[in-house]
Amino acid sequence: RKEVEQDPGPFNVPEGATVAFNCTYSNSASQSFFWYRQDCRKEPKLLMSVYSSGNEDGRFTAQLNRASQYISLLIRDSKLSDSATYLCVVNIWTGKLIFGQGTTLQVKP
Amino acid sequence: DGGITQSPKYLFRKEGQNVTLSCEQNLNHDAMYWYRQDPGQGLRLIYYSQIVNDFQKGDIAEGYSVSREKKESFPLTVTSAQKNPTAFYLCASSVEQGAELFFGEGSRLTVL
Repeated sequence: RKEVEQDPGPFNVPEGATVAFNCTYSNSASQSFFWYRQDCRKEPKLLMSVYSSGNEDGRFTAQLNRASQYISLLIRDSKLSDSATYLCVVNIWTGKLIFGQGTTLQVKP
Repeated sequence: DGGITQSPKYLFRKEGQNVTLSCEQNLNHDAMYWYRQDPGQGLRLIYYSQIVNDFQKGDIAEGYSVSREKKESFPLTVTSAQKNPTAFYLCASSVEQGAELFFGEGSRLTVL
């Protein structure tokens, strides 16, 4: 089983739609969690950290479910500019940051 | 401006040659990392360093070497022992291990 798993997609949604991605992790001792965004042929950039109580940043909401060992990212009112690959990142107990494969989102007009 | 600088951005080499990718940061971060990304894949950890003069192997260290003689610098050498070196290489740093990563713009290596 991979340490961090994501559905690679692609998720094709119309503008204005709400879309959600999940990411599962195998190590129950994992300590911190992040969502990164990566545009084609560019470096990843931090979208948001994921806190235990859940957190929101504008149209983006991140949640952590420790019991089921997954994190989620919800994007409301999708924009064309949201088209990208979304990478889930987990800090396993050793301090290493492990990346998921990424989920590709395409927002269509 | 603070950030991470990788060079070169694009590099072409013949099979059997060693190449060194540069990574410099002026963020005063203790931890630095090298990741490799293949098309359609996530990032895989090659090496990481928590502090000067110390580094650890990641998941795919075979065929690579690093050094950490200065806090600001973490160069990666892709040796001829690396069987499939063509990839996108990303250097990152964080204030401490396990914290948010800041990435350089990456280096694309193509071995002909």
